[in-house]
Amino acid sequence: GQQVMQIPQYQHVQEGEDFTTYCNSSTTLSNIQWYKQRPGGHPVFLIQLVKSGEVKKQKRLTFQFGEAKKNSSLHITATQTTDVGTYFCAGFHNNNDMRFGAGTRLTVKP
Amino acid sequence: DGGITQSPKYLFRKEGQNVTLSCEQNLNHDAMYWYRQDPGQGLRLIYYSQIVNDFQKGDIAEGYSVSREKKESFPLTVTSAQKNPTAFYLCASSIYGNQPQHFGDGTRLSIL
Repeated sequence: GQQVMQIPQYQHVQEGEDFTTYCNSSTTLSNIQWYKQRPGGHPVFLIQLVKSGEVKKQKRLTFQFGEAKKNSSLHITATQTTDVGTYFCAGFHNNNDMRFGAGTRLTVKP
Repeated sequence: DGGITQSPKYLFRKEGQNVTLSCEQNLNHDAMYWYRQDPGQGLRLIYYSQIVNDFQKGDIAEGYSVSREKKESFPLTVTSAQKNPTAFYLCASSIYGNQPQHFGDGTRLSIL
């Protein structure tokens, strides 16, 4: 099946620093979703991007969908300890073919 | 409250034994999914169902079976053919195929 690559695998930051995770596909995606999984918890839906070049913001989180709809990013400004967790992207190649990225595990040092 | 309920939270399997993980949703969602998550890993799709009485294999279906006799229920059986079943199993549902997924709290399966 078609894969979605996510980098980096791990990111450790000092509280207040910024954080970015990236997802890339070799083929065009119809849409992409982002999820957050806290340690010991289950993934929770954050946002869905559908349009080419789309940018959405949720407080300190900024989500982007590339112009070619092959890549996406999640950027967190001024991280806080509550941001700790693993962030996953899920790319849809068509309605029935969805792949999760491997996730980026974020740790934040107070 | 609407949501997805997985049970049990923890499950232990003996060698050669089949075990069934329960997943129930009251969100009136058409699509349901089963994922396997290994420590420090992403989510791998085992099976999914877009509609009652229909389901498709995901990337790692070998050693697993499912049924979808009711819209609300999508149980997963881990058969003895699955030689490395120790993992965290997550069930999810969505309104339909490419919409946001709601996850249950998961079941942690271990081998005795």
